[in-house]
Amino acid sequence: SAVISQKPSRDICQRGTSLTIQCQVDSQVTMMFWYRQQPGQSLTLIATANQGSEATYESGFVIDKFPISRPNLTFSTLTVSNMSPEDSSIYLCSVVAGENTEAFFGQGTRLTVV
Amino acid sequence: GENVEQHPSTLSVQEGDSAVIKCTYSDSASNYFPWYKQELGKRPQLIIDIRSNVGEKKDQRIAVTLNKTAKHFSLHITETQPEDSAVYFCAAFKTYKYIFGTGTRLKVLA
Repeated sequence: SAVISQKPSRDICQRGTSLTIQCQVDSQVTMMFWYRQQPGQSLTLIATANQGSEATYESGFVIDKFPISRPNLTFSTLTVSNMSPEDSSIYLCSVVAGENTEAFFGQGTRLTVV
Repeated sequence: GENVEQHPSTLSVQEGDSAVIKCTYSDSASNYFPWYKQELGKRPQLIIDIRSNVGEKKDQRIAVTLNKTAKHFSLHITETQPEDSAVYFCAAFKTYKYIFGTGTRLKVLA
């Protein structure tokens, strides 16, 4: 299994500013994933973060808006840049671990942009 | 790419009745199909999963069935209880990428 600590748990930010979300995993993992979950909606994959290489972004998400760092095998950050109210959402980090390839999630960051 | 459809989007059942949620996927290379339960304000938690070489799996009141030919899989909850009320997500997994269904909000009425 994997235990993920994500912070902040919530934040209210002014439009035009940036917020960096951090995720710490209690074990080394090759890939970390960042999702966005709009209220009452499903989880949409933003990007996959690999240690030692650039993140791979899904269609509709770009590095300038969502830069990601992955400095080691237990830590990653996602920055939401130049925020607008449309960025208000829950952001979750995730890892795949164990022989069953189960996905584990951080507790999420509830972002409100005003 | 993979696409996962999930139905229904909302489901209300009386306590003690059964609930069934269905998902279809598009990529025949997907080989792992988990179901996640997300309670309000909490992170998704795995409740049951099935691999592509298995047709059915059961864990107490929860079961999952998989039809590889038709590319669909279903979650069955029997003897529902109020604590089963949550949002349930199916997912298809291939090569370290999960694609989640749109979610089903289950309400168990006491």
